[in-house]
Amino acid sequence: QQNVQQSPESLIVPEGARTSLNCTFSDSASQYFWWYRQHSGKAPKALMSIFSNGEKEEGRFTIHLNKASLHFSLHIRDSQPSDSALYLCAVGTGGNNKLTFGQGTVLSVIP
Amino acid sequence: EAAVTQSPRNKVAVTGGKVTLSCNQTNNHNNMYWYRQDTGHGLRLIHYSYGAGSTEKGDIPDGYKASRPSQENFSLILELATPSQTSVYFCASGAAHWGQNTLYFGAGTRLSVL
Repeated sequence: QQNVQQSPESLIVPEGARTSLNCTFSDSASQYFWWYRQHSGKAPKALMSIFSNGEKEEGRFTIHLNKASLHFSLHIRDSQPSDSALYLCAVGTGGNNKLTFGQGTVLSVIP
Repeated sequence: EAAVTQSPRNKVAVTGGKVTLSCNQTNNHNNMYWYRQDTGHGLRLIHYSYGAGSTEKGDIPDGYKASRPSQENFSLILELATPSQTSVYFCASGAAHWGQNTLYFGAGTRLSVL
């Protein structure tokens, strides 16, 4: 069974900082990699996804995927107080068609 | 944007009672899912469905049943609620091949079992 772990559990950064969140997975057959963001009391919302090794950038957000290392990460440039939220990584495989979430990283950006 | 509506938003139940959580989506998505969220565990999959009439067990199905009577509606049923089922429950919908497609979540139902 897929095991998805996130680190750190929580993070406090000053406004304007570069933030890095990490996610490891156990199934080498994994094909789909997602980051979801959940503001306090709200529904999780998809932020970004990547389906092949390498890097993908969308605005201030960048995903890095290294399948060989069973690791992907989310980097936030110029962090803003509005980025304060719970960040959930999720991994899917083509075979069993399930998306497994990590336990989350709580990010707090201090003005 | 895709719309997923859950009801009720808050529910207090007694141990041993029956609880039904409802979910409606207007996205015409084939797939629907029920997750529960607890501190330290992220989102854990309870049941999911590929379309009307189908239900599949997720990773933590014990103590839960699901029903998908139509494309739009997906219910989660706790026949005999227990305090360990106190949690926040999220319904989601998504297009086929869910690994490749965005999941759209409802606002959640906060359930307390006393």
